[in-house]
Amino acid sequence: DVKVTQSSRYLVKRTGEKVFLECVQDMDHENMFWYRQDPGLGLRLIYFSYDVKMKEKGDIPEGYSVSREKKERFSLILESASTNQTSMYLCASSSRVGLAGGRAGTDTQYFGPGTRLTVL
Amino acid sequence: KQEVTQIPAALSVPEGENLVLNCSFTDSAIYNLQWFRQDPGKGLTSLLLIQSSQREQTSGRLNASLDKSSGRSTLYIAASQPGDSATYLCAVKEVRGSTLGRLYFGRGTQLTVWP
Repeated sequence: DVKVTQSSRYLVKRTGEKVFLECVQDMDHENMFWYRQDPGLGLRLIYFSYDVKMKEKGDIPEGYSVSREKKERFSLILESASTNQTSMYLCASSSRVGLAGGRAGTDTQYFGPGTRLTVL
Repeated sequence: KQEVTQIPAALSVPEGENLVLNCSFTDSAIYNLQWFRQDPGKGLTSLLLIQSSQREQTSGRLNASLDKSSGRSTLYIAASQPGDSATYLCAVKEVRGSTLGRLYFGRGTQLTVWP
């Protein structure tokens, strides 16, 4: 059974603290993603990574950084947490497929259970 | 930039009804389209994935169709049950970004099925 785990389900931090959110997948996936989800705004992509030590900015990278030192682990870092970063954070992973054939049908994104972060 | 829209935003139906959820996208150059389910406070679970060359996919009481040229997909749920209550999200993967796996999500349809 495929699995994406996140380090915490609920987290409460104070403004200005450095926050680490960890995500681990056991499917040997190349791609990993961090989203935040807010009511009325849907899922928004923060950062993604398509290989170890590689990262790409998503739609809302400001205030966040990421680290991918090992294939199975993707960390989201809030350098100095602010109240507007209170949100649900979701991690996902998927395999890499090519345009020509490839592993069609296997590039589904698998999501973790989410971390509800509150910044006071 | 790809934009994905889902209509309606919320739907409340009695148990047993057949229902249709709609998804539209602005750029028809997609690699595939996926439908996800999300229960309150939880992560997303993939329901169906339709490749751009396919017209539909079925899983149990769920059927998803894709009309790439018109930029539309529908999720059909037959004989709805209270356990189907959840938010349903549609997401597309663009061709140019296919190897990177980036998806564009709609905001979802919140479905309530009452007994």
